[in-house]
Amino acid sequence: GQNIDQPTEMTATEGAIVQINCTYQTSGFNGLFWYQQHAGEAPTFLSYNVLDGLEEKGRFSSFLSRSKGYSYLLLKELQMKDSASYLCAVRDSNYQLIWGAGTKLIIKP
Amino acid sequence: IAGITQAPTSQILAAGRRMTLRCTQDMRHNAMYWYRQDLGLGLRLIHYSNTAGTTGKGEVPDGYSVSRANTDDFPLTLASAVPSQTSVYFCASSDSKTGANVLTFGAGSRLTVL
Repeated sequence: GQNIDQPTEMTATEGAIVQINCTYQTSGFNGLFWYQQHAGEAPTFLSYNVLDGLEEKGRFSSFLSRSKGYSYLLLKELQMKDSASYLCAVRDSNYQLIWGAGTKLIIKP
Repeated sequence: IAGITQAPTSQILAAGRRMTLRCTQDMRHNAMYWYRQDLGLGLRLIHYSNTAGTTGKGEVPDGYSVSRANTDDFPLTLASAVPSQTSVYFCASSDSKTGANVLTFGAGSRLTVL
């Protein structure tokens, strides 16, 4: 079967750095996405990786290793507004998105 | 404001009742999707449409139907609601002709079936 694993919950301190990991086992690979979802709101797009390596976008970076079936989302200079769930999703060989259950990130002052 | 509009925002209904969740987008995206989100689970695809006039089944289609009469609208119908359909429903759209095919989501419809 297809599977996306990410930690259920993480806690970090305002101003610090946090890394959210995502491992996947899917039928083929056609890209990996990270979305942010604040409580009670819609998911919003953060990043897209299709080739190995690091993609940087401001305070957020996303890394992909296709050979290891692994990605991480790195958040720097954490702000209270970064408290949210972070969803990892992989597009498989049928171009369907497989979603992880999400990682709830709690930021403490 | 460009985006996706879902209605209703929330609804409580009795089991056995028929319910239609509405979804409208103004971005001229060709593809549209309906997902349900339940605690502890990833988003699960119910139905999708790659273009007006066509629809397809996702991972959990049973008990749901959709139609895509035009580009903008993609309603989801529960013919006879059951308590297991209590969930938050998200409509999404994308321009699937672009490389990344990023999804834009509506604000969600919270449905409670009693």
